[in-house]
Amino acid sequence: EAGVAQSPRYKIIEKRQSVAFWCNPISGHATLYWYQQILGQGPKLLIQFQNNGVVDDSQLPKDRFSAERLKGVDSTLKIQPAKLEDSAVYLCASSSSRKSVPNTDTQYFGPGTRLTVL
Amino acid sequence: AQSVTQLGSHVSVSEGALVLLRCNYSSSVPPYLFWYVQYPNQGLQLLLKYTTGATLVKGINGFEAEFKKSETSFHLTKPSAHMSDAAEYFCAVSDYPQGGSEKLVFGKGTKLTVNP
Repeated sequence: EAGVAQSPRYKIIEKRQSVAFWCNPISGHATLYWYQQILGQGPKLLIQFQNNGVVDDSQLPKDRFSAERLKGVDSTLKIQPAKLEDSAVYLCASSSSRKSVPNTDTQYFGPGTRLTVL
Repeated sequence: AQSVTQLGSHVSVSEGALVLLRCNYSSSVPPYLFWYVQYPNQGLQLLLKYTTGATLVKGINGFEAEFKKSETSFHLTKPSAHMSDAAEYFCAVSDYPQGGSEKLVFGKGTKLTVNP
C-alpha cells in the first residue's frame, strides 16, 4: 500500500512570496490533515478535511493560509504572502476514520515539505 | 482542551541501556494516547497507541508504554537501546471518540541519542 505522498520535499522562498504544497493521501482515506511543525516543537494541526469538507480550521491563519481538497482526494495548502515565521515543516496525514471500525482513526504521515522563508 | 508535556527535550543513553521517555497529558475525556517516532528528514511513524482496555501497550521495535490514569502519564520504555533507536519521539493525545475529533495534540518531542 502506497503511503502519503507530498511535494515538493524542500522549498526556499523570499518573504512576501507565495508557495503551495501538494498532498496525495493513502487511497480510500476520507480524512486528511495538514500540520505545521516548527523547529523544536511538535506538529500543530492547521486544518482537517473529511472528504472535501472542512472539519476543523480553527488554527489556520486564514489571512495568509488557504487549503482545498477538491474531489475529496488530493489537497493543496497555500501561503500568500509568506512570513519569516512560516519557516517550518508542513506535514500531511490521512486516516480512514470510520467510527464503527476500530483503529481507523490512526493517522499516517507523509515525509513533509520543509519550507524556508528568507 | 488537551495538552501534552514531555519531560526532557534531550535524553542520552548507552547502547543496551534502558530507554525511558516521559509523557504526561491533560484531557477532559478519556483520551486516546499515541507515541510517534520521527527520523531525520522523514515523517512521523506510529510506534504504539492506547485506546481502551489493557493499560500496557506493546508497539513496534520493542517499545512499550503504560497508561496510568491516576498519574495522567503514558511513559515510553524499551529494555535495551539500539543505535537505530536514535530519533525524535513525540507523545500525542486525542479525545476521539468521546470528544468526536481525531485531532492530535502533540508534545514538543524528546530527542533520543544512543551512545556506543
